[in-house]
Amino acid sequence: NAGVTQTPKFQVLKTGQSMTLQCAQDMNHNSMYWYRQDPGMGLRLIYYSASEGTTDKGEVPNGYNVSRLNKREFSLRLESAAPSQTSVYFCASSENLRSPLHFGNGTRLTVT
Amino acid sequence: KQEVTQIPAALSVPEGENLVLNCSFTDSAIYNLQWFRQDPGKGLTSLLLIQSSQREQTSGRLNASLDKSSGRSTLYIAASQPGDSATYLCAALNYGGSQGNLIFGKGTKLSVKP
Repeated sequence: NAGVTQTPKFQVLKTGQSMTLQCAQDMNHNSMYWYRQDPGMGLRLIYYSASEGTTDKGEVPNGYNVSRLNKREFSLRLESAAPSQTSVYFCASSENLRSPLHFGNGTRLTVT
Repeated sequence: KQEVTQIPAALSVPEGENLVLNCSFTDSAIYNLQWFRQDPGKGLTSLLLIQSSQREQTSGRLNASLDKSSGRSTLYIAASQPGDSATYLCAALNYGGSQGNLIFGKGTKLSVKP
């Protein structure tokens, strides 16, 4: 059972570079999420998609864009990376917005 | 704005002890409260979800309670084992606002010593 799969696991970027974090789930879930986790700040929601075809901003959306490519896949794009975006990024999915979340293992991103 | 607090930040207990982890929240208008476990370098694993209409949920050695009036939830772990060592996080889902926004506490890091 793959669950939620995130790629890549690790990434180092220089300031100003762009990249896309990929996420796919095989549980036929409707809702998908992107969180970032920082020491002392906890987990914060960047964007979420309640269902295929919809996306909404979370608590910290600035500097990010998302695409719900289909029901399985939800990608997060950094257009111009900044050192403040150094973090661990988690993708999650759930049957709906009020169901338990299932998390991927995260992408550790460092921006120098 | 909802704030979720978990105290203590870290806890160390000997194997076999029963223990309670605490979670408090400032806005009682929650839809549900979830408890998660996070192992080092891994994502979060959902342990228990309590709906606002429920008082408690149980899964194996875990029991989570919810008291909306006092803004508190507790996670009870019976007969702790070294394998229970991890960081435990609680998260509250509020009515209204950003529907997808679970508000997380910063977690309690539990260490169970053999």
